[in-house]
Amino acid sequence: QSALTQPASVSGSPGQSITISCTGASSDVGSYNLVSWYQHHPGKAPKLIIYEVTKRPSGDSRFSGSKSGNTASLTISGLQAEDEADYYCCSFAGSSTSLYVFGTGTKVTVL
Amino acid sequence: EVQLVESGGGLVQPGGSLRLSCAASGFTFSNFWMHWVRQAPGKGLVWVSRINNDGSSAFYADSVKGRFTISRDNAKNTLYLQMNSLRAEDTAVYYCVRDLMTASNHWGQGTLVTVSS
Repeated sequence: QSALTQPASVSGSPGQSITISCTGASSDVGSYNLVSWYQHHPGKAPKLIIYEVTKRPSGDSRFSGSKSGNTASLTISGLQAEDEADYYCCSFAGSSTSLYVFGTGTKVTVL
Repeated sequence: EVQLVESGGGLVQPGGSLRLSCAASGFTFSNFWMHWVRQAPGKGLVWVSRINNDGSSAFYADSVKGRFTISRDNAKNTLYLQMNSLRAEDTAVYYCVRDLMTASNHWGQGTLVTVSS
């Protein structure tokens, strides 16, 4: 099971919106509405920001998720300095090689 | 407050063994599926293993199948990962994770495992 493909880096200015893509296959992202997104500040524990493609576990409405075919996306609106972090998508894959597959990770830089 | 505290990491020689523990508190441990996820230095997150809430079912990534064993002791609120036949490529920070893909998701701070001679 190959890792899901994300852009290595995305940047934006404070207040702008950015979108991170997460491309998988028909066997993972394309088959299940079980895509999550995690924010990871190095040295800290990763934090769930989106689950089941579009749902938010907390009240931060600046984060939103979507999916089309084999590609999921995370949009961060009103970019803030504290959003600078690594972001990972994850999909249920259900295969014999790996039940879950993470994305390659995207470094978000706030200019 | 939900807490997951990993321990047991360290330096081990190739071919050696190590057992990681994850002490859970602040929630009813026996109600949740648990996972191990790892991150090699400078690399991304990789799912390693999952165990259901009563310990009767476990799954592994191909890269660790046959070498790693996940288990839990619900009476002690503790998750384990027994790692045998360790390789250099197993070097990583290992995270204990509650409910990987639901709103109940929670991660520990991680414990570093270094496999080197």
